[in-house]
Amino acid sequence: KAGVTQTPRYLIKTRGQQVTLSCSPISGHRSVSWYQQTPGQGLQFLFEYFSETQRNKGNFPGRFSGRQFSNSRSEMNVSTLELGDSALYLCASSLPGRSAPGELFFGEGSRLTVL
Amino acid sequence: DAKTTQPTSMDCAEGRAANLPCNHSTISGNEYVYWYRQIHSQGPQYIIHGLKNNETNEMASLIITEDRKSSTLILPHATLRDTAVYYCIVKSGGSNYKLTFGKGTLLTVNP
Repeated sequence: KAGVTQTPRYLIKTRGQQVTLSCSPISGHRSVSWYQQTPGQGLQFLFEYFSETQRNKGNFPGRFSGRQFSNSRSEMNVSTLELGDSALYLCASSLPGRSAPGELFFGEGSRLTVL
Repeated sequence: DAKTTQPTSMDCAEGRAANLPCNHSTISGNEYVYWYRQIHSQGPQYIIHGLKNNETNEMASLIITEDRKSSTLILPHATLRDTAVYYCIVKSGGSNYKLTFGKGTLLTVNP
C-alpha cells in the first residue's frame, strides 16, 4: 500500500513569490492535515481537511491556505513568501472512523527554502 | 489538549530496553496518550497510543500509570535505527485531528 506522497520534495523560492505544495494521501484516507516544521518552532499544525472542507485551522496568517479535492488529494499554498517560511512542510492522512483520531500517517515532507 | 513534559535527551545501549518517560499530569478522562517518533529529516511515524490500559504492538509497549498522570514508552530491544526524536502527545477523541507536538526526547542508541 503506497504511503503519503508529497511533491515536490525540495524547492527554492525567493521572497515575495508564492508556492504550491501537493499531497496525495494513502488510498481511502479522507482526512489530510498539514504541518510546518522549523528548528525554532518545531512541528506546528497548519490546517486539516476532510471531504473537501477545512475542519481545523492553526494559528498561521492568511498567506497560508489549502484545499482538498474530491479524490482527497490536497494542496497548500503560501503567498508572498517570507524568509521565515523556510521550513519542512509535512502532510499527514488519516482514515476517520477506522483510525484513532491521533493516528496520522505522515509523508516525507516538502522542504522549502526562501532566499 | 493537556500539556506533556519529556526529558530533552536520553541514551540507550544497543540491544537494551529504552524506557522513555512522559508526564501529563493535567490529562482529562477522555484524552488519549499518543507516541510518535521522527528520524532525522523524515516525517513523524506513529508508534502507539492508549487511554487507560497498557498497550503493546510490534514496535513498542506503552505503560500508563493508574492515575494516568504519566506514561512510559518501552522499546524492548533498541537498535541503532531507533535513534530519533520521540514525541508524547495527549489529545482528546472526536473528529479533531489536530496534534500538538512538543519538543520531544532525542533518544540516541549507542553501539
